[in-house]
Amino acid sequence: EAGVAQSPRYKIIEKRQSVAFWCNPISGHATLYWYQQILGQGPKLLIQFQNNGVVDDSQLPKDRFSAERLKGVDSTLKIQPAKLEDSAVYLCASSLAGVSYNNEQFFGPGTRLTVL
Amino acid sequence: GENVEQHPSTLSVQEGDSAVIKCTYSDSASNYFPWYKQELGKRPQLIIDIRSNVGEKKDQRIAVTLNKTAKHFSLHITETQPEDSAVYFCAATLGAGKSTFGDGTTLTVKP
Repeated sequence: EAGVAQSPRYKIIEKRQSVAFWCNPISGHATLYWYQQILGQGPKLLIQFQNNGVVDDSQLPKDRFSAERLKGVDSTLKIQPAKLEDSAVYLCASSLAGVSYNNEQFFGPGTRLTVL
Repeated sequence: GENVEQHPSTLSVQEGDSAVIKCTYSDSASNYFPWYKQELGKRPQLIIDIRSNVGEKKDQRIAVTLNKTAKHFSLHITETQPEDSAVYFCAATLGAGKSTFGDGTTLTVKP
């Protein structure tokens, strides 16, 4: 089966600019996650969707980050304006369902963001 | 919220030796504990997982143990090979699917 797709793979922007990332989960996966992975650290959950509803966004810096999953399939994550500390890899993951024993998450290749 | 601590941060072993990575978690409601392997520049991939109703699980050279009372779980790799070299992450997951990851262990297997 096709895996989780993300684009772009790399992005370089200057601080205060805006940027958007796109994710297409595995077909049929109801749950979608966005993670931020700073170099040398583990992935940190930014937001979790169940279909098109938000399950958890407690660690999303809402003054500058936003995410949507309007039709319950693809998702976009936006940063506006970007700061130097936003430099990281942004990983998208999907799973069959959140509230079940099918918790295995499948990760996309990530988008490496560099903010100058 | 959940807090996951992972040790050691780096681990170097000789080929053929065993490697053990340990994680502790804080939220007793966590019920699913996956381990991911991430090679340089690649995506994390699940290598083994364990649910809270099980104490141990084994898959060939890889095993995971869980102690719910002490809130810690461990990854054991036996007969290590150079291709096992990677960063390994543990995670503790709540019922709704929210996962908190450790900061990773860089394993180097020397031939």
